[in-house]
Amino acid sequence: GAVVSQHPSRVICKSGTSVKIECRSLDFQATTMFWYRQFPKQSLMLMATSNEGSKATYEQGVEKDKFLINHASLTLSTLTVTSAHPEDSSFYICSASDSSGADTQYFGPGTRLTVL
Amino acid sequence: QQQVKQSPQSLIVQKGGISIINCAYENTAFDYFPWYQQFPGKGPALLIAIRPDVSEKKEGRFTISFNKSAKQFSLHIMDSQPGDSATYFCAASMGSTLGRLYFGRGTQLTVWP
Repeated sequence: GAVVSQHPSRVICKSGTSVKIECRSLDFQATTMFWYRQFPKQSLMLMATSNEGSKATYEQGVEKDKFLINHASLTLSTLTVTSAHPEDSSFYICSASDSSGADTQYFGPGTRLTVL
Repeated sequence: QQQVKQSPQSLIVQKGGISIINCAYENTAFDYFPWYQQFPGKGPALLIAIRPDVSEKKEGRFTISFNKSAKQFSLHIMDSQPGDSATYFCAASMGSTLGRLYFGRGTQLTVWP
């Protein structure tokens, strides 16, 4: 089946630093990737939609200069949290749909970010 | 505005019982309705999905019932097991938004042995 990986699985950083999270589709080409944020015991909140080779589309209220998304290839998208602050601590999850246009989205295992 | 409303927020079921989670939507443009299972600290995993042209879909112990006129769909877990204890999310998407999923708030299921 389709597998999506994320790296790192956990990261702890100091306030003011930047953190990069990678999302890879391992056995399929992902035209579209999505980035979500999830707080404890809450639902997934879509942050942005990323299409290969074009600029990401951000949801209302998500700062595009703070959460930089790059989708440089059909198998890799990255989310960079710039100048991280404690309120950015969260569980970040990516998902990907394959280039066939199928509706099915496959989710990565998530990245736990803790900003001290 | 919550596009997909899910209930109950939490559910406790005895082992061997039936777990039922309900979702409702308003946007008739939705044409794909998946259910995801999420364990603590993990990403969601696709459990089962349905399209509006069928009223029911079954995969093993998991069944989706879909009522197009009522704009409701539900997940039934037969013979619930302690290993089914997880958070379940219903979702909906439409072809025009390139697969963007609208999630329900989630149901935390606990199955007692």
